Amino acid sequence: AQSVSQHNHHVILSEAASLELGCNYSYGGTVNLFWYVQYPGQHLQLLLKYFSGDPLVKGIKGFEAEFIKSKFSFNLRKPSVQWSDTAEYFCAVNRAGSARQLTFGSGTQLTVLP
Amino acid sequence: SQTIHQWPATLVQPVGSPLSLECTVEGTSNPNLYWYRQAAGRGLQLLFYSVGIGQISSEVPQNLSASRPQDRQFILSSKKLLLSDSGFYLCAWNSGFSYNEQFFGPGTRLTVL
Repeated sequence: AQSVSQHNHHVILSEAASLELGCNYSYGGTVNLFWYVQYPGQHLQLLLKYFSGDPLVKGIKGFEAEFIKSKFSFNLRKPSVQWSDTAEYFCAVNRAGSARQLTFGSGTQLTVLP
Repeated sequence: SQTIHQWPATLVQPVGSPLSLECTVEGTSNPNLYWYRQAAGRGLQLLFYSVGIGQISSEVPQNLSASRPQDRQFILSSKKLLLSDSGFYLCAWNSGFSYNEQFFGPGTRLTVL
């Protein structure tokens, strides 16, 4: 069975700092990769996704993620965070060609101090 | 455009009472539907998914059950709630024709006392 690890449970940054959240998965086959974000009091929403092609994926609000197949990683990055980026971030994986389920990581709470 | 609704938004129930949470999707047909439970620090755990009316797959054995009486309606139920059923329950959908990302509802916060 596939699994997803997010090693940072809580990250605290000051505004303008750079962000990198780690995500590693365990599955040897072809995968689809996602980052979801949950802002306080809002729905869980998609930040970005990778299905194929360029391993550097750009999402909304200046976020990007890089798929490194050899490392089974899909880390999320942002060069300069804002207070409004305070939220919980979830990495998720499903096997390519399967809509049956997403496997989620345990989430990373990001707090950005003004 | 597609929208997904869940109700109630919050619920406080005593141990041993029944449960019924409802999820409906608008603006699409034949969606895949999912129930997740989100526990603090533990991410989202898939409970059930459905690829069609009356078709339910259970991912985790537990005190809960799911039903899909209509194409765009997904219900999460329990006959007798346990304390451990407390949590945040999310419904999600995606297209049955393209294996795309899932779209989530606003969730239901359930507290079992």
